[in-house]
Amino acid sequence: KAGVTQTPRYLIKTRGQQVTLSCSPISGHRSVSWYQQTPGQGLQFLFEYFSETQRNKGNFPGRFSGRQFSNSRSEMNVSTLELGDSALYLCASSFLPGDVSGSPLHFGNGTRLTVT
Amino acid sequence: AQTVTQSQPEMSVQEAETVTLSCTYDTSENNYYLFWYKQPPSRQMILVIRQEAYKQQNATENRFSVNFQKAAKSFSLKISDSQLGDTAMYFCAFTAYSGGGADGLTFGKGTHLIIQP
Repeated sequence: KAGVTQTPRYLIKTRGQQVTLSCSPISGHRSVSWYQQTPGQGLQFLFEYFSETQRNKGNFPGRFSGRQFSNSRSEMNVSTLELGDSALYLCASSFLPGDVSGSPLHFGNGTRLTVT
Repeated sequence: AQTVTQSQPEMSVQEAETVTLSCTYDTSENNYYLFWYKQPPSRQMILVIRQEAYKQQNATENRFSVNFQKAAKSFSLKISDSQLGDTAMYFCAFTAYSGGGADGLTFGKGTHLIIQP
């Protein structure tokens, strides 16, 4: 069974631009969540989707948005990029939401975003 | 809000030794789940072990075991017979059972574990 696939692996953008990251979950998994990892703040929850609905969102500005498609694939978008958005963005999937079932998350390799 | 604290930023041990990574958490919830994840240089987060708060028995996965002390809100990870491949960042994580939407996993800052040959 293929793991969680994130594309692209690396991305360099300029301040003010927007970016879209993609995540394909493990087959059969319907819950997808996104995390931002930075040296200073560590791992922070962005949002979670289940069956195409956003269940919850972390403490991030509205420039960060996401969506989930009927095949469970998910995308996250960051508009008007700032230098501080440089980070590793991790996507994770599980069959059911973790807070409901305690299902462990299966992570992808992440997308390294650099904003210059 | 829940918090997870890992007080050891970095640890180094010799191969084959046993090492214990510390984790404490703060929550007012009674039902929750705790995890240890490993992140090697490849960046992929890998689940090491999982503990359900309502279970008193400590979880064990091969060389990995936890010491879960619910009253003390402590969740340490013990790695026995450490191997070079255990070198990685280790993150302790928490999620409360809510059934209606939680704030995802709350992670500690991590412990960089180095296994020396």
